[in-house]
Amino acid sequence: DGGITQSPKYLFRKEGQNVTLSCEQNLNHDAMYWYRQDPGQGLRLIYYSQIVNDFQKGDIAEGYSVSREKKESFPLTVTSAQKNPTAFYLCASSILRVGTEAFFGQGTRLTVV
Amino acid sequence: SQQGEEDPQALSIQEGENATMNCSYKTSINNLQWYRQNSGRGLVHLILIRSNEREKHSGRLRVTLDTSKKSSSLLITASRAADTASYFCATDARRDDKIIFGKGTRLHILP
Repeated sequence: DGGITQSPKYLFRKEGQNVTLSCEQNLNHDAMYWYRQDPGQGLRLIYYSQIVNDFQKGDIAEGYSVSREKKESFPLTVTSAQKNPTAFYLCASSILRVGTEAFFGQGTRLTVV
Repeated sequence: SQQGEEDPQALSIQEGENATMNCSYKTSINNLQWYRQNSGRGLVHLILIRSNEREKHSGRLRVTLDTSKKSSSLLITASRAADTASYFCATDARRDDKIIFGKGTRLHILP
């Protein structure tokens, strides 16, 4: 089955630690996105990538880093510089063509303990 | 900066009634999309309307787009309990290919 997979579903981090959230897709999509969602809020764009080895900052990139070494994978690292990392993180992918839908993973809930 | 803003933030209606949600945006767009999110899950695409379209239907969904007012509406007819979810509009601006989401409308269908 084609789709987009995020792991883990739940993640706990101690203050001061970096953690990496995984996002893998087998849809052959060029574009991939990371969003952050806080309780009762909308989605805010962290980073996006339209091609391998290239990515752009979204609206809230500070304290986060990404890589795009393979078309299928777009991992997100939440660094210790992110002061309020507790949130629900959503990864999405789409065909790189104007006017196409985005496919979402099921999300990773990150909690700082 | 968020491109889309949904209105109302929350909506409760009786099962069988129609639900209408609105979205306003700020800059010129290529397309506007509506997504649905069940609690604690990922988003699911519902419908896309292009900037040169004014109305689109899909099953019980009807979407309108008014580019002069920079607004869109999503109508769900004959609502069901299973329609309880959050609904988001998303836009991709002409200046780049980012997909930007609004804050969403939380819809609750009362039995």
